[in-house]
Amino acid sequence: DAKTTQPTSMDCAEGRAANLPCNHSTISGNEYVYWYRQIHSQGPQYIIHGLKNNETNEMASLIITEDRKSSTLILPHATLRDTAVYYCIVRVPHTGGFKTIFGAGTRLFVKA
Amino acid sequence: DAGVTQSPTHLIKTRGQQVTLRCSPISGHKSVSWYQQVLGQGPQFIFQYYEKEERGRGNFPDRFSARQFPNYSSELNVNALLLGDSALYLCASSFGALSSEQYFGPGTRLTVT
Repeated sequence: DAKTTQPTSMDCAEGRAANLPCNHSTISGNEYVYWYRQIHSQGPQYIIHGLKNNETNEMASLIITEDRKSSTLILPHATLRDTAVYYCIVRVPHTGGFKTIFGAGTRLFVKA
Repeated sequence: DAGVTQSPTHLIKTRGQQVTLRCSPISGHKSVSWYQQVLGQGPQFIFQYYEKEERGRGNFPDRFSARQFPNYSSELNVNALLLGDSALYLCASSFGALSSEQYFGPGTRLTVT
């Protein structure tokens, strides 16, 4: 199963863009990259996902390299409330369902 | 609409006991997945159920089992509890088995003494 590698922690100034990298060099062609975040003692919250193309929604942008071996989550204007653990995960499809593999995540600290 | 609900919120058990955790998905969602999150680590996938059938299984021993009911709610059972089973158990629901978005509940904090 594909694994992801992320920095343990990152800092970002409030109002600036937060760029969170993820390495998934063993990803297969049919495996999606998902990003979730988890604020202390809450369940993870879905942010965005993609397969090959870059994606954008109201929360963030996802940039996937052409070889799909890495990606970057971009929070365009980080706020204090964006302080959380961010998980880059690979969803492995199989017959009729999928396995979702979480890594250790990146702890993002947004500072005033 | 209510989100994913889980019960109980907290639970304390002793080694060797059995525990049942419950999850109610978002109305209209037919798939439920279970995860175990040990302190300081990311969630680890345990099971996925869709339409009462198991559709995915992680690397957990047979002491862990689950089922899904006709109303799409689900139970996770853990037998012969070990100290290492102490964790936050998360339930996530999605509309279909392959749906893109999963919505997580607040979790059940299990402590095994």
